[in-house]
Amino acid sequence: AQSVTQPDIHITVSEGASLELRCNYSYGATPYLFWYVQSPGQGLQLLLKYFSGDTLVQGIKGFEAEFKRSQSSFNLRKPSVHWSDAAEYFCAVDLSSGGGADGLTFGKGTHLIIQP
Amino acid sequence: EAQVTQNPRYLITVTGKKLTVTCSQNMNHEYMSWYRQDPGLGLRQIYYSMNVEVTDKGDVPEGYKVSRKEKRNFPLILESPSPNQTSLYFCASSQGRNQPQHFGDGTRLSIL
Repeated sequence: AQSVTQPDIHITVSEGASLELRCNYSYGATPYLFWYVQSPGQGLQLLLKYFSGDTLVQGIKGFEAEFKRSQSSFNLRKPSVHWSDAAEYFCAVDLSSGGGADGLTFGKGTHLIIQP
Repeated sequence: EAQVTQNPRYLITVTGKKLTVTCSQNMNHEYMSWYRQDPGLGLRQIYYSMNVEVTDKGDVPEGYKVSRKEKRNFPLILESPSPNQTSLYFCASSQGRNQPQHFGDGTRLSIL
């Protein structure tokens, strides 16, 4: 079955340290890939997306993600986190490009905690 | 300002009392969808609409209805709400399929 896995439910990082959030998908073709961030009490905001081309994509707020076809992964990274990065992060795929259902399929999210 | 507006933001109601959550977008987007967010489950799609008068089921459509009579509006209807529909609901819109979606701020529903 098609799925999106975020293996880390919670991650704690010290302010100023680097960050990597993992995302793996299970799908035959290459889907469209997204990372969204959700701050407490708010909706989801798009951080970045991958459709095709360069496998390293830059997003807002200093985030980047790298698509690795061989590993079916789309991990999110940031070289130095700030306290304001504390939030819930969701990886999502759109499978419709390969004939799958329309709409986004989300991972279950990773809760990022920033230690002072 | 480009936005997706949901109303109400919070609602506590009782089992069986019909309710509607409205969603409106001002970006002339063709694609709109509804999701519910539950702890440990992430977001799951309820219904989506590719354009006016075109709607289709998502992953968890049972107990919900939608309509798309105008391009900007996509209301979510719970004809006979039940406690298992207590959740946080998000409406989203995009220029088209495969495009990044813009999300509303969410509606927290509690069904007693």
